[in-house]
This record gives sequence, C-alpha cells and structure tokens, in this order.
Amino acid sequence: EAGVTQSPTHLIKTRGQQVTLRCSPISGHTSVYWYQQALGLGLQFLLWYDEGEERNRGNFPPRFSGRQFPNYSSELNVNALELEDSALYLCASSQRDNEQYFGPGTRLTVT
Amino acid sequence: DQQVKQNSPSLSVQEGRISILNCDYTNSMFDYFLWYKKYPAEGPTFLISISSIKDKNEDGRFTVFLNKSAKHLSLHIVPSQPGDSAVYFCAATRKIIIQGAQKLVFGQGTRLTINP
Repeated sequence: EAGVTQSPTHLIKTRGQQVTLRCSPISGHTSVYWYQQALGLGLQFLLWYDEGEERNRGNFPPRFSGRQFPNYSSELNVNALELEDSALYLCASSQRDNEQYFGPGTRLTVT
Repeated sequence: DQQVKQNSPSLSVQEGRISILNCDYTNSMFDYFLWYKKYPAEGPTFLISISSIKDKNEDGRFTVFLNKSAKHLSLHIVPSQPGDSAVYFCAATRKIIIQGAQKLVFGQGTRLTINP
C-alpha cells in the first residue's frame, strides 16, 4: 500500500513569492492534515481537511491556505512568503481516527 | 502556551537497556495520546497510541503508560536497539466522536541515541 506522498521534496523561493505544496493521502483516507516544523521547533498544526472541507485551522495567518480535491488530495498555498516560513511542511492523512500517517515532507527555504 | 511538553531534548541509552521517554500535558480535555518516531529528512512514523480510558498499552518492545491524574505519559522501549535512535514526539488530541480525528498537538521532541 502506497503511503502519503508529497511534492516537491525541496523548494527554494524568494521573499514575497507564492508557493504551492501538494499532498496525496493514503488510499481510502479522507482526512488530510498539514503541519509546519520550523527549525528548532516542534510540529505545529496548520490545517485539517476532511471530505473536501476545511475543518480546523491552526494559529497561522490567512496567507496560509489550502484546499482538498474530490480525490482527497490536497494543496497548501502560502502567499507573500517571509523568511520565517522556511520550514519542513508535513502532510498527514487518516481514516477518521487519530492515527495520522505522515508523508516525507517538503523542505521550503525562503531567501 | 505549550500544551504538550517533552522536557528532555535528548536522551542517551545503552543498547539492550530500557529507554524511557516522558511527556507532560496541561489540557485536561485531551483524551487520546500518540507517540511518533522521526528520522532526519523523513516524516514522523506512528508508533503507538493510548486512549484515556486505559493506563497502559503495549506493542512489542514499545509500551506507553498514561497517568491521567499527573497528566503524564511515558514511552518505554525495551530492549533498546541502535535502530531506535531517532527523535520521538508525543502528541495529544481530543476525539470528537461525530467528526472523528482532530488536530494533533505535538511536544517538542526528544532525541534518543542508543549507544552500542
């Protein structure tokens, strides 16, 4: 069974630019979660999508947004990138239980 | 406000001995707890979980203990193996039966090193 996949694996952007990160959940999982792990910090919850709708949102500014598609894949968009957005962005999926399974992450560097 | 805390940033244990990783939480609404293991450049891997209706859950070499009155949980790994060297995160959440999974609140992680 294929795990959670994320693309791209690495990304370098300039301050002020916009970025889109992609996530494909495990087959059969309807929930997708996004987390940010900045350097030296733990994993911080960003967004939770389930059945195509945003269900919960972490303490992040509105320039962090996303969506979930009918096939349950998801995108995370970050507008007006700032230096402190440099982090590992992790996507996880679950089948409506709390055992979230994580993808390998996308390493975003903002210069 | 750090609702889930892992106060030991690192831990070093001899191969074959027991590794004990600790986690404290402050939010009494949390009723489900998980441990994840993370290698560099990889996403966290689910290890073991425990519901607040239990005080112990065991899976092979891994056992999680929950002390609700102290708002404390621990992960025991015995015997410890070199491949266990990784960063371990505890996470907590509140299950909402109708809506299912909720967001996970993670601790800062503990780097476990198993010495041969």
